[in-house]
Amino acid sequence: AQSVTQLDSQVPVFEEAPVELRCNYSSSVSVYLFWYVQYPNQGLQLLLKYLSGSTLVESINGFEAEFNKSQTSFHLRKPSVHISDTAEYFCAVTSPSGYSTLTFGKGTMLLVSP
Amino acid sequence: GAGVSQSPSNKVTEKGKDVELRCDPISGHTALYWYRQSLGQGLEFLIYFQGNSAPDKSGLPSDRFSAERTGGSVSTLTIQRTQQEDSAVYLCASSLGQGAGELFFGEGSRLTVL
Repeated sequence: AQSVTQLDSQVPVFEEAPVELRCNYSSSVSVYLFWYVQYPNQGLQLLLKYLSGSTLVESINGFEAEFNKSQTSFHLRKPSVHISDTAEYFCAVTSPSGYSTLTFGKGTMLLVSP
Repeated sequence: GAGVSQSPSNKVTEKGKDVELRCDPISGHTALYWYRQSLGQGLEFLIYFQGNSAPDKSGLPSDRFSAERTGGSVSTLTIQRTQQEDSAVYLCASSLGQGAGELFFGEGSRLTVL
């Protein structure tokens, strides 16, 4: 069985400050890892994913996440946040097998204030 | 349509009534998922359909919950004899299937049980 732990339910930051949203996973097999974002009153959408290759993955809007196998982590970072980054962020894990579901963490609400 | 469509977007019902929630996935997507999103609980997996394989029903919380997918496309989630704890947003997602393809989410059906 797989599980995901998002250590912070809420992260308040000021605009232009750096931010890190933490994610740890548990799995007995190899994994694929994802971050999804849910903006207010919208559906979830994929932010970035790690499948294989480089352990550092980036999104188009400046977020990045690094897969750390030894620490079983996939923390999400951004060096300078904007008001528009205010949203809930979900970390998720699945296995590379052809028949597997996506297990989500409980989410971290990022609150960016001026 | 281009995205995953869910209906109704909002449903208010009385305790004990049955409800049906509908999901129309992206055309050509073989995998379809139902999740439940409750405040502070993140996304809870309910059921997963992949092509013609038997669905993974391991996440259904009780026998009051059932789902079907007709013709490999539209899916209906049925909750019988609704209880107040069933109040949540029910999310449907689809993907191309076979491992870690991106999940595309609908905007959800918000269920309120009075």
